[in-house]
Amino acid sequence: ILNVEQSPQSLHVQEGDSTNFTCSFPSSNFYALHWYRWETAKSPEALFVMTLNGDEKKKGRISATLNTKEGYSYLYIKGSQPEDSATYLCAPRGNTGKLIFGQGTTLQVKP
Amino acid sequence: DAGITQSPRHKVTETGTPVTLRCHQTENHRYMYWYRQDPGHGLRLIHYSYGVKDTDKGEVSDGYSVSRSKTEDFLLTLESATSSQTSVYFCAISDKDRMNTGELFFGEGSRLTVL
Repeated sequence: ILNVEQSPQSLHVQEGDSTNFTCSFPSSNFYALHWYRWETAKSPEALFVMTLNGDEKKKGRISATLNTKEGYSYLYIKGSQPEDSATYLCAPRGNTGKLIFGQGTTLQVKP
Repeated sequence: DAGITQSPRHKVTETGTPVTLRCHQTENHRYMYWYRQDPGHGLRLIHYSYGVKDTDKGEVSDGYSVSRSKTEDFLLTLESATSSQTSVYFCAISDKDRMNTGELFFGEGSRLTVL
């Protein structure tokens, strides 16, 4: 699975703002869509893994949706906090287990 | 935390020397991955393994080889290191065949500098 596109590349918001990012991927040979949060100087950590068209997942103020037919996923953060500052990566996964990441969206939340 | 360790964590070497990075897991997960971190590119897949002695190339496999002779270890070798291979290397494991999400668990990273 190639051509994973994330937008925007970077985002600066004020504390309390809500924001969303997009992940676009080829819809063929789709098995699952992963979202990861990657803080500076740390290792990436999984947020969500979604497999079904129309899936919606939520963890606290962060939620994600999935459209496998058109090949996109949205990640939403409600009421951004400074601790949400990180790079958010998405990665579609095929049946072979290969997992290719997008270039990420870097979020900076100003207090 | 998933039992995954990378070694060495830091290494400085010279151009043309061979380098091997080791990823060791205690989770008995089937899948193991090597990624490199590059500014503006996020994480790029070098090679991955879907079982003992079963490996496949990723996006940036040129100049790298891998071996997996047992479930717990996945080795990444740079036969002749170049400055362009200066990076932070992350190992990750996954087990999507069980009733779990198949999420990746990452090691802490190995910082390699090639002078």
